[in-house]
Amino acid sequence: DQQVKQNSPSLSVQEGRISILNCDYTNSMFDYFLWYKKYPAEGPTFLISISSIKDKNEDGRFTVFLNKSAKHLSLHIVPSQPGDSAVYFCAASGRTSYDKVIFGPGTSLSVIP
Amino acid sequence: EPEVTQTPSHQVTQMGQEVILRCVPISNHLYFYWYRQILGQKVEFLVSFYNNEISEKSEIFDDQFSVERPDGSNFTLKIRSTKLEDSAMYFCASRKPLGQDYTFGSGTRLTVV
Repeated sequence: DQQVKQNSPSLSVQEGRISILNCDYTNSMFDYFLWYKKYPAEGPTFLISISSIKDKNEDGRFTVFLNKSAKHLSLHIVPSQPGDSAVYFCAASGRTSYDKVIFGPGTSLSVIP
Repeated sequence: EPEVTQTPSHQVTQMGQEVILRCVPISNHLYFYWYRQILGQKVEFLVSFYNNEISEKSEIFDDQFSVERPDGSNFTLKIRSTKLEDSAMYFCASRKPLGQDYTFGSGTRLTVV
């Protein structure tokens, strides 16, 4: 049962253009959403998050949009840089303090110089 | 910046042997987790640990697995009798009180031969 879905396994974008990574979730109890970036042989690195009470959160080149009614979120990276090439995991968490994070399968982003 | 430290970075073990994967979470964090990622698959939740006890575990975390925080700083994952299918990257994570951003370690690659 995939509670967090990332339907695009891979994405290629030209340097300087916008990268848009999409994520859908099925569990309406999720209260907090996170994006992680992962390089091979390293642990996931936290990138940006958004609470369910917001619809947008911005941090530098990274913006996350949340559409609760559609159970959809997206990560926008602009402008994309070659160093952004990595696997991006969408993740979701519930309301309690020790709630586990449920990861999506990831999208591999390649930024072409 | 504080980080979660995992040792060893790579462990090779024979099937049927016991392994202990070690983690040192961030010192003021109170919630601890183990996740794993089998090659080519998504990051999966194994177990969460709070107040010296397991708060939640997945169906992957069967009787062969156990966790311990023996001395207030280390957080260990023990696999009693390893199987080939236990080969994966194992990630430790911790989270501060009232925070929802996890910090992951860089992982231990476990190879069961």
